[in-house]
Amino acid sequence: GAGVSQSPRYKVAKRGQDVALRCDPISGHVSLFWYQQALGQGPEFLTYFQNEAQLDKSGLPSDRFFAERPEGSVSTLKIQRTQQEDSAVYLCASSSRQGPYSYEQYFGPGTRLTVT
Amino acid sequence: SQQGEEDPQALSIQEGENATMNCSYKTSINNLQWYRQNSGRGLVHLILIRSNEREKHSGRLRVTLDTSKKSSSLLITASRAADTASYFCATDAPYSGAGSYQLTFGKGTKLSVIP
Repeated sequence: GAGVSQSPRYKVAKRGQDVALRCDPISGHVSLFWYQQALGQGPEFLTYFQNEAQLDKSGLPSDRFFAERPEGSVSTLKIQRTQQEDSAVYLCASSSRQGPYSYEQYFGPGTRLTVT
Repeated sequence: SQQGEEDPQALSIQEGENATMNCSYKTSINNLQWYRQNSGRGLVHLILIRSNEREKHSGRLRVTLDTSKKSSSLLITASRAADTASYFCATDAPYSGAGSYQLTFGKGTKLSVIP
């Protein structure tokens, strides 16, 4: 059983460029989360999908950030007009939960984004 | 914003000793989880404890939860060099009929186990 995979693992972007980060969750997992982790900090929630529906995007820092999961499996996080403060590790996690109690989340290795 | 706060920020112990990390949080929770992160394996779930539980064990791990004090502790017994990592507590809010059950992480405790 493959875990959560993310690509690319490393991305260097010039300020102002658009980037797209991909997440392949564990097959069959209904819930998918994106987190942003700055150096020396814990992950911070960005957005959540239940199947293809984006139910919570309260953590997205600006309208330059956009996420989608059109078929309820693979997800893409897009950042437009990148800024230096976007430099961080972007983590994707999936979970099998559907009921009211949260379950453990399975994290991918992350994409380290550096904006120069 | 980060709800949990781990303490200490860094901890260095000898192999074979026990390591205790604490987590405090601010608002009511549904449950609390502990995760480990190292460069080799990324962020890995260790243990989940629900708000109606007080203690839970898993192998060399023991977690306690005191909801009246809004705090939790993680004890690793007989530590090994391979336990060297950052440890994070993560909480989610009580179910409200909608929402994401997002996890809110603390800043972590960096544990170094010296062989």
